[in-house]
Amino acid sequence: DIQMTQSPTSLSASVGDRVTITCRASQSIDSYLNWYQQIPGKAPKLLIYAASSLQSGVPSRFSGSGSGTDFTLTISSLQPEDFGTYYCQQSSNTVGSIFGQGTRLEIK
Amino acid sequence: EVQLVESGGDLVQRGGSLRLSCAASGFTFDLYAMNWVRQHPGKGLEWVSAISGTGDSIYYADSVKGRFTISRDNSKSTLYLQMSSLTAEDTATYYCAKDLYFDTSGPSFEYWGQGALVTVSS
Repeated sequence: DIQMTQSPTSLSASVGDRVTITCRASQSIDSYLNWYQQIPGKAPKLLIYAASSLQSGVPSRFSGSGSGTDFTLTISSLQPEDFGTYYCQQSSNTVGSIFGQGTRLEIK
Repeated sequence: EVQLVESGGDLVQRGGSLRLSCAASGFTFDLYAMNWVRQHPGKGLEWVSAISGTGDSIYYADSVKGRFTISRDNSKSTLYLQMSSLTAEDTATYYCAKDLYFDTSGPSFEYWGQGALVTVSS
């Protein structure tokens, strides 16, 4: 089974900061990696698919990179509305836990 | 505009059954796979099940295999999740999610509904 591990588990950053969240797969998943943002009380929202493709309507300050086992979500200049929990998700198959455990982002 | 509206969430006794529905609009329903994803209270996301656009390919998480059945009615643009032998571990918010693709053995969740709360009491 493929396991997804995110780091850090939580972080606090200021408006304007560059923020990076990392996701590691237990085995290669090529570029089958998506990123989601979930604001408390709301459904998740797709940000990045296929590791680096920006979903329509998502601000360009969000970007994704990586392939194989190591992936990164970057927010180039943090905005107040970017708080919430971020999840990576492998879309290589449905075996095991396809989501990472989440990274809680707090705005200082 | 894509809309996904879940219904059927309820309080149910342990061992009971429940059917969730998800009414879809704003896209050509039978061209996309559909999924159920759940979230236990205060916890992370757990994929539950996926079904291809035609309904020919179906996938389940091990945690629900043999107890849950996913189906779709393309004439009604509606997705279903029949849940049986429910336990306290099934207590969660269940989200319906449109896939990016027609058929995939690895889902990608493009749009999500608002969620339906299922509570299993002991």
